[in-house]
Amino acid sequence: AQTVTQSQPEMSVQEAETVTLSCTYDTSESDYYLFWYKQPPSRQMILVIRQEAYKQQNATENRFSVNFQKAAKSFSLKISDSQLGDAAMYFCAYRSPNAGGTSYGKLTFGQGTILTVHP
Amino acid sequence: NAGVTQTPKFRILKIGQSMTLQCAQDMNHNYMYWYRQDPGMGLKLIYYSVGAGITDKGEVPNGYNVSRSTTEDFPLRLELAAPSQTSVYFCASSYGGVTEAFFGQGTRLTVV
Repeated sequence: AQTVTQSQPEMSVQEAETVTLSCTYDTSESDYYLFWYKQPPSRQMILVIRQEAYKQQNATENRFSVNFQKAAKSFSLKISDSQLGDAAMYFCAYRSPNAGGTSYGKLTFGQGTILTVHP
Repeated sequence: NAGVTQTPKFRILKIGQSMTLQCAQDMNHNYMYWYRQDPGMGLKLIYYSVGAGITDKGEVPNGYNVSRSTTEDFPLRLELAAPSQTSVYFCASSYGGVTEAFFGQGTRLTVV
């Protein structure tokens, strides 16, 4: 079974600075998808960024980028120019490939990292 | 376009009672999921479905049941509620296995 580990329960950053959130995963599959979700105090789950494992290029979305290291099974999220609105819990998630296998379509989350942004 | 709608938003149950958490999506998504999130913790998969009539267990299925008779609806049934089922429950859906999942607002359930 796939597992997703976020080793940083809490992180903090000064406004306008850069912070990196870590995520590692364990899988025997070669094709899969990775996601970062943000959960603010409103509880709503918001997609931040996604990465396809077959793509070597790291995904970016404005101030958010990832460092995807497939061999190391690592998928970190970098937030540049941090803003007060970035304060939230961040979840890393793994999705199994589309067809076949016992974990067909399953979406697995890490434990989450609480990010605090100081003004 | 409502997305994923969960009802109710809040509920208090007594030990031993039963209830159904409703989830509906209007995006014609074939994949649907139920998660629970305990305070300060991540999301644990309870059950998921890859299409109408097809469901499978996740990590923590004990004490829950699901059915998927239509593409739109994926209700979660709690039988004989226990305090350990106090949690926030999220329903999610996606189109196929390659796109991101869209989440409902969650249901906060307390069992006393």
